Amino acid sequence: EVQLVESGGGLVQPGGSLRLSCAASGFTFSNYWMSWVRQAPGKGLEWVANIKKDGSEIYYVDSVKGRFTISRDNAKNSLYLQMNNLRAEDTAVYYCARPQFLRDDAFDIWGQGTMVTVSS
Amino acid sequence: EIVLTQSPGTLSLSPGERATLSCRASQSVRSNYLAWYQQKPGQAPRRLMYGASGRATGIPDRFSGSGSGTDFTLTISRLEPEDFAVYYCQQYGTSPTTFGQGTRLEIK
Repeated sequence: EVQLVESGGGLVQPGGSLRLSCAASGFTFSNYWMSWVRQAPGKGLEWVANIKKDGSEIYYVDSVKGRFTISRDNAKNSLYLQMNNLRAEDTAVYYCARPQFLRDDAFDIWGQGTMVTVSS
Repeated sequence: EIVLTQSPGTLSLSPGERATLSCRASQSVRSNYLAWYQQKPGQAPRRLMYGASGRATGIPDRFSGSGSGTDFTLTISRLEPEDFAVYYCQQYGTSPTTFGQGTRLEIK
């Protein structure tokens, strides 16, 4: 079964850090771009970052540039999101998602999400 | 970036009725790279359509997508109880990929 499972969410104070992980299974992870998409409580979806199959290209939404770092370990079939200097507006469910073929593509596989709450 | 505006914000219909959801883009969507997702409470989004009119694997044929350029439509021909959810459109023709704000489909 094709599956993405996120972990690492939690409650953190403003200015703090958190590292999210996403474990992939059921497909050849190294053959796909991967992305993070977030959803603030009661709000819509927002693409956050994506990373090329071999990690050689990385893109971020402007609001997280310089604070978040996406990375991957193809040997471990894992995707990561290091989040530093967190702000209240980063509070959201963070989904790991697979673009079907290209860097910008429809997301055909989603994880169940992990909640990040930034609050004092 | 391309802004997607979905309408209506909320649609109240009964099972068996036809639903028509709209997604309008602030500029033309390249190659009609427009997807639709369904999201139920507490769940991740599920892809329904891609390329404006392509139905994803396992999606019932009561779901159909149409449109081109800046105007796109998701139609559900006969609503089933499990279809009541929030629906999002996404354009992936121009970076950054963007989503609409969603249409809530509720039982009347």
